[in-house]
Amino acid sequence: NAGVTQTPKFQVLKTGQSMTLQCAQDMNHNSMYWYRQDPGMGLRLIYYSASEGTTDKGEVPNGYNVSRLNKREFSLRLESAAPSQTSVYFCASSDKGGVGYEQYFGPGTRLTVT
Amino acid sequence: AQSVAQPEDQVNVAEGNPLTVKCTYSVSGNPYLFWYVQYPNRGLQFLLKYITGDNLVKGSYGFEAEFNKSQTSFHLKKPSALVSDSALYFCAVRLRTGRRALTFGSGTRLQVQP
Repeated sequence: NAGVTQTPKFQVLKTGQSMTLQCAQDMNHNSMYWYRQDPGMGLRLIYYSASEGTTDKGEVPNGYNVSRLNKREFSLRLESAAPSQTSVYFCASSDKGGVGYEQYFGPGTRLTVT
Repeated sequence: AQSVAQPEDQVNVAEGNPLTVKCTYSVSGNPYLFWYVQYPNRGLQFLLKYITGDNLVKGSYGFEAEFNKSQTSFHLKKPSALVSDSALYFCAVRLRTGRRALTFGSGTRLQVQP
């Protein structure tokens, strides 16, 4: 039981390049999330998927797209990377059942855009 | 809109002394409240949550938090700090209805000195 896994762990891009961050969870959770973490700003929600087949924008969606490929996988795509997207990206998942359920986080992807 | 404030960027405490990490929130309605911890180069780990009921909630690693509705606070506490508690701590809030994603505070770095 690996929990939430993310690939790659590190990535350096040049401005204008594209890439996809991969996330998978093996806890049979319905909801998945993408956050970015910047110094002094906590985590900010980029996109989330409440259940398979649905996605919604969070606080900072500009410059990103997502795909909920199936119940396990939720990818984040940068079509044309910009230096402002240099950040640490975290994927998380949570169970739909019950109330007040906590989120489980992956180890993160550290992205640098030059 | 909901928001979370962690007024201290850093808290320093001697090993064996009690610690408090402060959190206040602003939401319309009754929230769910969470504390997470992040160790260097790792994802966030869930510590504890307030859903309903007893205002004092106990969590992992000896941590507890007190929900105070009148002061809209959810401070994290531990009776006796350990050097291994040194990490970055995040408070988060979620509404009881609507979007399931969390809103995080900016984080407080806890430094426990031997």
